[in-house]
Amino acid sequence: GAVVSQHPSWVICKSGTSVKIECRSLDFQATTMFWYRQFPKQSLMLMATSNEGSKATYEQGVEKDKFLINHASLTLSTLTVTSAHPEDSSFYICSAEDGTLMGYSNQPQHFGDGTRLSIL
Amino acid sequence: ELKVEQNPLFLSMQEGKNYTIYCNYSTTSDRLYWYRQDPGKSLESLFVLLSNGAVKQEGRLMASLDTKARLSTLHITAAVHDLSATYFCAVGLTGTASKLTFGTGTRLQVTL
Repeated sequence: GAVVSQHPSWVICKSGTSVKIECRSLDFQATTMFWYRQFPKQSLMLMATSNEGSKATYEQGVEKDKFLINHASLTLSTLTVTSAHPEDSSFYICSAEDGTLMGYSNQPQHFGDGTRLSIL
Repeated sequence: ELKVEQNPLFLSMQEGKNYTIYCNYSTTSDRLYWYRQDPGKSLESLFVLLSNGAVKQEGRLMASLDTKARLSTLHITAAVHDLSATYFCAVGLTGTASKLTFGTGTRLQVTL
């Protein structure tokens, strides 16, 4: 089945540091990837839609300059949390859909294992 | 703006009992998904529901979709401890490419 690899799985760093999270589709091409944030005991909130070769589409209220997204290839999207602060601590999850399907997919998105980010 | 609500938010039930989780959404949709999340883990896909009246079953879980009522249900039959997890429904807007809005989640605790 389709596998999405997310790395790292856990990051602890000091305030002011920039952190990069990678999301890779291992056995399929993903023209579209999604980045979510999940606070403890809450639901997933979509942060942005990442499209290969073009700028990401951010959801309302998400700071583009804070959360930099790059989707340079059909198998890799990265999320960089710039100058992270304690309030950025959260569980970040990426998902991807198989780009070989035409139109929008009715298949479930394939989720990475998530990255737990803790900013001290 | 699409809103997706689940009820209940938390459910504690004994093994062997049956129960239903409800997912209501506010605008027309043509696809609904159910996911499971274990503590500290990511999401596992359970069901994809694409049409009115769709019913899918896997083991002790059965999901259904009523697009006219904008309602999906996840029914648990004879619960076992291994089903303890948080369950999310997610809805896609008609005509949009894959963008999903997640429900509030239902944390299920099955006790022995």
